[in-house]
Amino acid sequence: DAGVIQSPRHEVTEMGQEVTLRCKPISGHDYLFWYRQTMMRGLELLIYFNNNVPIDDSGMPEDRFSAKMPNASFSTLKIQPSEPRDSAVYFCASSRDRRSSEAFFGQGTRLTVV
Amino acid sequence: GDSVTQMEGPVTLSEEAFLTINCTYTATGYPSLFWYVQYPGEGLQLLLKATKADDKGSNKGFEATYRKETTSFHLEKGSVQVSDSAVYFCALGGSYIPTFGRGTSLIVHP
Repeated sequence: DAGVIQSPRHEVTEMGQEVTLRCKPISGHDYLFWYRQTMMRGLELLIYFNNNVPIDDSGMPEDRFSAKMPNASFSTLKIQPSEPRDSAVYFCASSRDRRSSEAFFGQGTRLTVV
Repeated sequence: GDSVTQMEGPVTLSEEAFLTINCTYTATGYPSLFWYVQYPGEGLQLLLKATKADDKGSNKGFEATYRKETTSFHLEKGSVQVSDSAVYFCALGGSYIPTFGRGTSLIVHP
């Protein structure tokens, strides 16, 4: 398997624009997680899905953030409108089941909002 | 709630030095414990894990022992290499939402 695939790897956008980050989890994994990494706050869990259903979105910072998982092989994280403080590295991760919780991470999307 | 506390970094060592990175956790029940490593520009990848008390996880010369009595999972390596320079994350898992520590940066000089 190719692992968790995220796109794009880098995104530079202007404040106010819509940004969509994409993730393809490992086939057969039931859980998908979106994380945000910054120097100030470390690695934060934004939202996670189980079998394509959002389970906990309490980490989503504001209503400007939304995430979807229309099928088992694809998820998006959208920011609309984007702000400079959203600049961070966003990681998608997947795991086979909650008990093992060994998470497999994508390479991340580095977002810069100017 | 569940949490993981790691020692602050950066940790700076010379090649072949002994490494310890401390990790303690707070959780109800009996979580699995993990160490992940993040190399520059990459995502986190699993380094080792332990699923129950007194288990020792090991990989690439790194090891950590699940100590329930002290709620700790310290990472150790007897002789570090320049290639070990990375950020190391301690994490809770098992029947819990993956919870990560802040990460500890390791810098190894030749």
